[in-house]
Amino acid sequence: EIVMTQSPVTLSVSPGERGTLSCRASQSVYTNLAWYQQKPGQTPRLLIHSASTRATGVPARFSGSGSGTEFMLTISSLQSEDFAVYYCQQYNDGPITFGQGTRLEIK
Amino acid sequence: EVQLVESGGGLVQPGGSLKLSCEASGFSFSTSWMHWVRQVPGKGLVWVSHINSDGNTIRYADSAKGRFTISRDNAKNTLYLQMNSLRADDTGVYYCAKPVGLGVAAFDIWGQGTPVTVST
Repeated sequence: EIVMTQSPVTLSVSPGERGTLSCRASQSVYTNLAWYQQKPGQTPRLLIHSASTRATGVPARFSGSGSGTEFMLTISSLQSEDFAVYYCQQYNDGPITFGQGTRLEIK
Repeated sequence: EVQLVESGGGLVQPGGSLKLSCEASGFSFSTSWMHWVRQVPGKGLVWVSHINSDGNTIRYADSAKGRFTISRDNAKNTLYLQMNSLRADDTGVYYCAKPVGLGVAAFDIWGQGTPVTVST
């Protein structure tokens, strides 16, 4: 099973600043990686798939990058509605696995 | 409107059984792979199982093998998860999820979830 490790566990950022979240895979997943946002009481929302393709309706301030084992989700200018938990997920091989999540909080 | 609606969750004793359902609408269910994902409240996401469009390709997480059975009825646009020999660590909210497309198992549509609690 591929293990996905996200860092940091908690990220504190001020509104308007850039936020960068990381995700590392225990072996290459090529670009078979997705990012989700989850707010309290809501279901996960797909932001990015194929490492860098924004899902329908996702604002351009969200961008994904990386391939192989190292990936990043960047939020260029944080808005109040962006403070949430973010998960990465690989779907390359074996069972699908998720990272443990990064909580993005207001500084 | 594209929608997934789960049902069938509840409180069950260890060793008991539950059958979850997920009714789909607003997209071509019969041509879509489908997945089940579990989340323990306040915790992360765990993939449980998937099934291809005609039901001939099925996979389970190790924790579900031998106890859970995924199935579908394309005539009823409904996905199922039969869960037997339930354990405390099966507790969580169970979501059905639709992938973006063939070969892209990122989930763009999620149901609202149905809670399962395994406890005495």
